Amino acid sequence: GAVVSQHPSWVICKSGTSVKIECRSLDFQATTMFWYRQFPKQSLMLMATSNEGSKATYEQGVEKDKFLINHASLTLSTLTVTSAHPEDSSFYICSAIGRSTGELFFGEGSRLTVL
Amino acid sequence: DAKTTQPPSMDCAEGRAANLPCNHSTISGNEYVYWYRQIHSQGPQYIIHGLKNNETNEMASLIITEDRKSSTLILPHATLRDTAVYYCIVRDGLYGKLTFGQGTILTVHP
Repeated sequence: GAVVSQHPSWVICKSGTSVKIECRSLDFQATTMFWYRQFPKQSLMLMATSNEGSKATYEQGVEKDKFLINHASLTLSTLTVTSAHPEDSSFYICSAIGRSTGELFFGEGSRLTVL
Repeated sequence: DAKTTQPPSMDCAEGRAANLPCNHSTISGNEYVYWYRQIHSQGPQYIIHGLKNNETNEMASLIITEDRKSSTLILPHATLRDTAVYYCIVRDGLYGKLTFGQGTILTVHP
């Protein structure tokens, strides 16, 4: 079946550095991808909606200059956490909508730890 | 998107049916009811979705009330591996975003 893959699965970085997380739809084209963030023992919080070839739409309270989203192709979206701080440590999850079916598939998630 | 209300936690004995309720009293006509579950430190897993009619697949059944203001997810024979957080979500059409609530922590015990 359709698979959404995220890379890396986990990453540790120093405070002040930038980290890029990739989200790929492996066997289908995704015109829309969503990025979520999840803190321990909390639900998933939608950060932004990413449409291929256009600027991402961010949810209220999410800093677009800090969380850079690029959706350059129908199979790849990237989230870059710029100038990461310890409070950005979280589980980041992407999802993608199948272009033809509307089905929504989730990636395995990427755990970011900022020291 | 319509908001959903779920009990924070439920228990179920292994082999028994698990019935997880969800209220979505403000649902509108073109909004679907979706169920996902999340096992610790993994991405959410799709279970089932429906609009008006009851639905069944290899994982579960979804019962939607006639007025569509509530629904129940049924896992017919719960196993220990079904222990997870279950999210009931109302989605605007088949291409809308998913907004997660707090979900129900289902614990299946021996």
